[in-house]
Amino acid sequence: AQSVTQLGSHVSVSEGALVLLRCNYSSSVPPYLFWYVQYPNQGLQLLLKYTSAATLVKGINGFEAEFKKSETSFHLTKPSAHMSDAAEYFCAVGSSSASKIIFGSGTRLSIRP
Amino acid sequence: NAGVTQTPKFRVLKTGQSMTLLCAQDMNHEYMYWYRQDPGMGLRLIHYSVGEGTTAKGEVPDGYNVSRLKKQNFLLGLESAAPSQTSVYFCASRYSPQGGEQYFGPGTRLTVT
Repeated sequence: AQSVTQLGSHVSVSEGALVLLRCNYSSSVPPYLFWYVQYPNQGLQLLLKYTSAATLVKGINGFEAEFKKSETSFHLTKPSAHMSDAAEYFCAVGSSSASKIIFGSGTRLSIRP
Repeated sequence: NAGVTQTPKFRVLKTGQSMTLLCAQDMNHEYMYWYRQDPGMGLRLIHYSVGEGTTAKGEVPDGYNVSRLKKQNFLLGLESAAPSQTSVYFCASRYSPQGGEQYFGPGTRLTVT
């Protein structure tokens, strides 16, 4: 069975500050991990994904995430927040043998001017 | 490519009425999914399909039916709408579980009064 936990339903940072959104997963098989972003009144779009290649994954809009097997984590980071980063972010886990992708409950990111 | 499209974008139903939501994808994806999104609850899987002519139950299937008569289309039906089905519904598709991410539609906002 697979599951994912996002720590913090709401994160607020100042413009220009580091963004850190936390995601921990549970999986009995090698996982595929995803981060999606959802802007208001839109569908989800892929930020980045890990599929067992490099453990540090770079995505769109300056985001990156690091797969840490020992910590079962896949935290999302961005060195400097922009106002346009305000959105909801979802971490998700899948595998090569699973038809479904399991989503976390989401973290709403707010950016303070 | 249009990607994943959903029809309609908005709908208001009275309790007991029925309706069908249409999802279409032009990417030749095998897998298709229907989710509902409610505040604070993330994405919950309603039904999914791993290929034309197949359907399977997800996490919250009660009150919904689906059909996948054509590979590119996945229909979600509400036979007798209830206020608890007020939600935003998202359709998604993916090529395969082998590292493939999901592509999401823009959503349908449904209100049941």
